[in-house]
Amino acid sequence: QLRQSGPGLVKPSETLSLTCAILGDGVSSNSATWNWIRQSPSRGLEWLGRTYYRSTWHYDYSSSVKGRISIKPDPSKNHVYLHLQSVTPVDTAVYFCAKSGVVPMENWFDPWGQGTQVIVSS
Amino acid sequence: SYVLTQPLSVSVAPGKTATITCGGNNIGRKSVNWYQQKPGQAPVLVIHFDGDRPSGIPERFSGSNSGNTATLTISRAEAGDEAEYYCQVWDSNNDHVFGTGTKVTVL
Repeated sequence: QLRQSGPGLVKPSETLSLTCAILGDGVSSNSATWNWIRQSPSRGLEWLGRTYYRSTWHYDYSSSVKGRISIKPDPSKNHVYLHLQSVTPVDTAVYFCAKSGVVPMENWFDPWGQGTQVIVSS
Repeated sequence: SYVLTQPLSVSVAPGKTATITCGGNNIGRKSVNWYQQKPGQAPVLVIHFDGDRPSGIPERFSGSNSGNTATLTISRAEAGDEAEYYCQVWDSNNDHVFGTGTKVTVL
């Protein structure tokens, strides 16, 4: 189970920060990958990035947000964080965290967090 | 970029079969996953690896994939199947890609 938290309103040019708490699994599992995905009417479902542990931590990001995004694991809390810098109204969306397996073979998302509606507005 | 195209909407009578397509260039060479999303909820995985059902998903849901089209079939449709359905693949150049979504109406 994945439980999300974080603010629903962010000002333009500021940083969007969300938390995904992992329940019943380990963020450092060698068979899990932790993803952030967002959904908006204009862009549909959009994969943003992932982190996973395979003897060391790995990070991959979508080119659409590269340079602005950071996904960080916290093994002490079993959390994964999303930070998206310099947001604009285009970043308004519902944000989800989701688990996948070992990419590329286990490339489906299950389960998903409940979603967080984030509005970028002054 | 790799594009997945789905019909905007599909209507089905209760008890009948709904077919949802997902078009992509040589999608038959990729592994396709399908998600069901009801209003205000997160997507739920209903099919992975083209046609495998996760635990808890009814046998009424099935999938196939060949050529340029993947298909999700809902047999004996029920009112509870009304939802938006999305296909998804992993592409070596574009990473995870989602389809445009299909609204299924049971009437």
